[in-house]
Amino acid sequence: AQTVTQSQPEMSVQEAETVTLSCTYDTSESDYYLFWYKQPPSRQMILVIRQEAYKQQNATENRFSVNFQKAAKSFSLKISDSQLGDAAMYFCALNTDKLIFGTGTRLQVFP
Amino acid sequence: KAGVTQTPRYLIKTRGQQVTLSCSPISGHRSVSWYQQTPGQGLQFLFEYFSETQRNKGNFPGRFSGRQFSNSRSEMNVSTLELGDSALYLCASSDRGITDTQYFGPGTRLTVL
Repeated sequence: AQTVTQSQPEMSVQEAETVTLSCTYDTSESDYYLFWYKQPPSRQMILVIRQEAYKQQNATENRFSVNFQKAAKSFSLKISDSQLGDAAMYFCALNTDKLIFGTGTRLQVFP
Repeated sequence: KAGVTQTPRYLIKTRGQQVTLSCSPISGHRSVSWYQQTPGQGLQFLFEYFSETQRNKGNFPGRFSGRQFSNSRSEMNVSTLELGDSALYLCASSDRGITDTQYFGPGTRLTVL
């Protein structure tokens, strides 16, 4: 069975600071993709970042970067220079033949 | 390109009724997937359609069905609604299929009374 675990239900960060959201996963597949999605109060799911499992290099998108540890099956998201607009639910997702989501981490950003 | 659109955005039904939700993918995308989001169960995969064929299905009862048209637009149908079907239903589209990056629509909020 494929699973995604987000052990932090809630996190908070001060504006301009850095925060890291954790995610672990389990799959027996060797070829898969990992994603972080953001869901603001509007409920629209927005792609934050994508990582292909065969790539050793960690993905980066502007202020968002991941720490992908394949052997440990860990996929954390680092948000640098946090902004008020980063406040949202963040979902980690594993994609093999379907998208499996974690339970989400609610990120609060304080001014 | 325009994003994924879903209609209607909000829907209220009563138990026993049936409902049809619609999803129009990003132009050129051939894959449409559906997800159910509830506070208790989180985000769960319903099914994926690619070029009018269902390629994958989640663990949902047969009351949940879908179809895809030749223009890639997809509909999801839920028959004999139950209170537990109240949820946000999200549709996502991608170019090459379920393993490709999924782009989500704004969702349809279904309330069953």
